[in-house]
Amino acid sequence: DIQMTQSPSSLSASVGDRVTITCRASQGISNHLAWYQQKPGKVPKLLIYAASTLQSGVPSRFDGGGSGTDFTLTINSLQPEDVATYYCQKYNSAPWTFGQGTKVEIK
Amino acid sequence: QVQLVESGGGLVKPGGSLRLSCAASGFTFSDYYMSWIRQAPGKGLEWVSYISGSGYNIYYADSVKGRFTISRDNAKNSLYLQMNSLRAEDTAVYYCARESSTSRTIDYWGQGTLVTVSS
Repeated sequence: DIQMTQSPSSLSASVGDRVTITCRASQGISNHLAWYQQKPGKVPKLLIYAASTLQSGVPSRFDGGGSGTDFTLTINSLQPEDVATYYCQKYNSAPWTFGQGTKVEIK
Repeated sequence: QVQLVESGGGLVKPGGSLRLSCAASGFTFSDYYMSWIRQAPGKGLEWVSYISGSGYNIYYADSVKGRFTISRDNAKNSLYLQMNSLRAEDTAVYYCARESSTSRTIDYWGQGTLVTVSS
């Protein structure tokens, strides 16, 4: 099975900073990669699918990129409401697999 | 609006069984793949199983294969997860989730139901 590895596992940044999270697949998955945001005590929310397509209603400061095995989620100008754990998920073929998560905090 | 409401969670002893249900509303249930995804306390997300709209296409994570059975009743707009031979490591919040019609991503999640396996 394809493994998904996120880095870093956690980060702390200041309001207004640009933050980048990386997700690496153990094999190529084309652009079948999604990003989810899970705020503390809440249900996960889809942010990005097809590696770079923003889900409806998601702020434009979120940006996804990559293809094949290496992907990024960038938050341009980090806001206090972005405090959350972010997960990547591959969906090219079953089993669907999530990364281990990246916890984003405000410095 | 899309709603997914899980029920059936609780405390069960190792080796026991539990059946989770998910009541769906606000969309044409039979048109969508549905999944169960779980999250152990303080841990990350783990996809458990999916089922196609017709019920014919089913897949399980290796960790639950042979112990869990996913099913659906489109007439009742309901999704189920029969969990047998439960282990301590199955302790988690179990989410019912709808897969997007345009990509196999999760566009709606239920609020989850907690399953605790402990003696």
